[in-house]
Amino acid sequence: EIVLTQSPATLSLSPGERATLSCWASQSISSYLAWYQQKPGQAPRLLIYDAFIRATGIPARFSGSGSGTDFTLTISSLEPEDFAVYYCQQRISWPLTFGGGTKVEIK
Amino acid sequence: EVQLLESGGGLVQPGGSLRLSCAASGFTFSTYDISWVRQAPGKGLEWVSAISGSGADTHYADSVKGRFTISRDNSKNTLYLQMNSLRAQDTAVYYCAREPSRRADYWGQGTLVTVSS
Repeated sequence: EIVLTQSPATLSLSPGERATLSCWASQSISSYLAWYQQKPGQAPRLLIYDAFIRATGIPARFSGSGSGTDFTLTISSLEPEDFAVYYCQQRISWPLTFGGGTKVEIK
Repeated sequence: EVQLLESGGGLVQPGGSLRLSCAASGFTFSTYDISWVRQAPGKGLEWVSAISGSGADTHYADSVKGRFTISRDNSKNTLYLQMNSLRAQDTAVYYCAREPSRRADYWGQGTLVTVSS
């Protein structure tokens, strides 16, 4: 099973600041990584797939990068609606696995 | 509009069984893989199971293998998760999610399963 480790667990930032979230895989997953956003009481929302492709309707301030074992989700300038929990998920092999999540909170 | 609607959750005793359903609309159901993902209270996401569009291929997390069975009825646009030998650790909100290649792009709102005596 591929283990995904997200860092940091919590990120405290102000609106307008840049957020950088990391996801490390225990073995190479090429570019088969997706990122999801989840707000309290809501279902997850797809942001990025194949490491860097924005899903339909996702604002350009969200970007993904990386390949192999190291991946990054960047939010260039935080909007109030971006404060949420973010999860990465590997899509290369079964069982699919998620990282533990990074909570982006208002400082 | 793509919609996924889970149902069937509730309170069940340890060792009991429950069958979840996920009714799909707004897309050609039989052409998409579908996954179940769960989230224990206050915890992160855990992938549970997936099934191919035809139903021929299924996959499970080790934590549920041998106890849960995923299936689908493409004539009814409905996905199922039969859960047997339920444990307290299975308590979670269960989501179904549509799976085009390499991503889960639409999710239902989830159904809560509580395993407790």
